Amino acid sequence: DAKTTQPTSMDCAEGRAANLPCNHSTISGNEYVYWYRQIHSQGPQYIIHGLKNNETNEMASLIITEDRKSSTLILPHATLRDTAVYYCIVRSMNRDDKIIFGKGTRLHILP
Amino acid sequence: DGGITQSPKYLFRKEGQNVTLSCEQNLNHDAMYWYRQDPGQGLRLIYYSQIVNDFQKGDIAEGYSVSREKKESFPLTVTSAQKNPTAFYLCASSGDRQGRINEQFFGPGTRLTVL
Repeated sequence: DAKTTQPTSMDCAEGRAANLPCNHSTISGNEYVYWYRQIHSQGPQYIIHGLKNNETNEMASLIITEDRKSSTLILPHATLRDTAVYYCIVRSMNRDDKIIFGKGTRLHILP
Repeated sequence: DGGITQSPKYLFRKEGQNVTLSCEQNLNHDAMYWYRQDPGQGLRLIYYSQIVNDFQKGDIAEGYSVSREKKESFPLTVTSAQKNPTAFYLCASSGDRQGRINEQFFGPGTRLTVL
């Protein structure tokens, strides 16, 4: 079973910031939060990951709460090409730890 | 270019036939994975391999088989024992970079339709 809970779908206006929430209340101390996205009929694409500090890269920002029980992925200026299913995943650094994908959040960017 | 490839993109087979899906990577990654995705659903793990000549069952291995004779190749066979094989199949690989998280890189997927 997935260790995360995400809303089924969200809408965001083009050019605005898209904020995608994720709950992971049972996260362990050695588990990281990963985000992937999947554009229709393509393989998932890695976006960002973090442990406890906020992270930013060229694609997005990741905000993790102090208790680490939830996080938010932020796409600062959403474009139509950001329409996809976004998956929040928790896993440890142990190479034997499987990545378990839930159903994700279907993000619709509206023109 | 380094990457992970799957072929073909679309595959049609008659019911009762075995079919093998190809997955190749030139990223020098140790680990490779096969997932199945059904419409509107997340990914479910079928098999994974952490090293050559070794592989483990995932959550839904029944009706599937794999081999890992070469580091760069991890073919998946969908056998006639798989009751509902029509799905989108995704292959992934991950490296063991010192000091870095093992990010998984995904191929473009193969959409299998059994008629």
